[in-house]
Amino acid sequence: EVVLTQSPATLSLSPGERATLSCRASQSVDIYLAWYQQKPGQAPRLLIFDASNRATGIPARFSGSGSGTDFNLTISSLEPEDFAIYYCQQRKVWPPLTFGGGTRLEI
Amino acid sequence: QLLLQESGPGLVKPSETLSLTCTVSGGSVISSRHFWGWIRQTPGKRPEWIGSFRDGRGTFYNPSLKSRVTMSVDTSTNQVSLRLSSVTAADTALYYCVRHAEQRDAVPAFDNWGQGILVTVSS
Repeated sequence: EVVLTQSPATLSLSPGERATLSCRASQSVDIYLAWYQQKPGQAPRLLIFDASNRATGIPARFSGSGSGTDFNLTISSLEPEDFAIYYCQQRKVWPPLTFGGGTRLEI
Repeated sequence: QLLLQESGPGLVKPSETLSLTCTVSGGSVISSRHFWGWIRQTPGKRPEWIGSFRDGRGTFYNPSLKSRVTMSVDTSTNQVSLRLSSVTAADTALYYCVRHAEQRDAVPAFDNWGQGILVTVSS
């Protein structure tokens, strides 16, 4: 099973600042990593797939990078609605499909 | 527009079987491109993938749950069902129906989620 470790667990920033979230895989997942945003009471929403591809309707301030075992999600300039929990997820080695433990982005 | 709607009992007794149904609207459960599956999440915890089905590809389960999980598809009602046997309090979670793909001719990630259904295991 591929274990995904996200850091930091909590990131405290202000609107307008740049956020960089990390996800590290226990073995190479090539580019097969996705990022999701989850707000309270809502299902996760897909942001990025295959490391760097924005999903439909996702603003350009969200970008993904990385390959192999190390990945980043960058939010270039935080908007108030971006404060949420972010999860990474791999599809290279499955079953099982696995998620990281999440990063809480707080104001 | 694709809609996934979970339904089923919100309360299940320990040792019994949890049964949920996902009704798919705006898409077909018989698809050569998409998997239909289930994910659960306990508040404050990471999502846990339970299993997925794709026509022509078969059904895949999380090894940690495989001995207790059965998924099935009803093409006449366009529904995907989940059965989880011998439940305990550890199975209390929000259960989501999801769609995902494997190849790049569709979005190869969980691009559609139901609203989720809370299932509590308690006597």
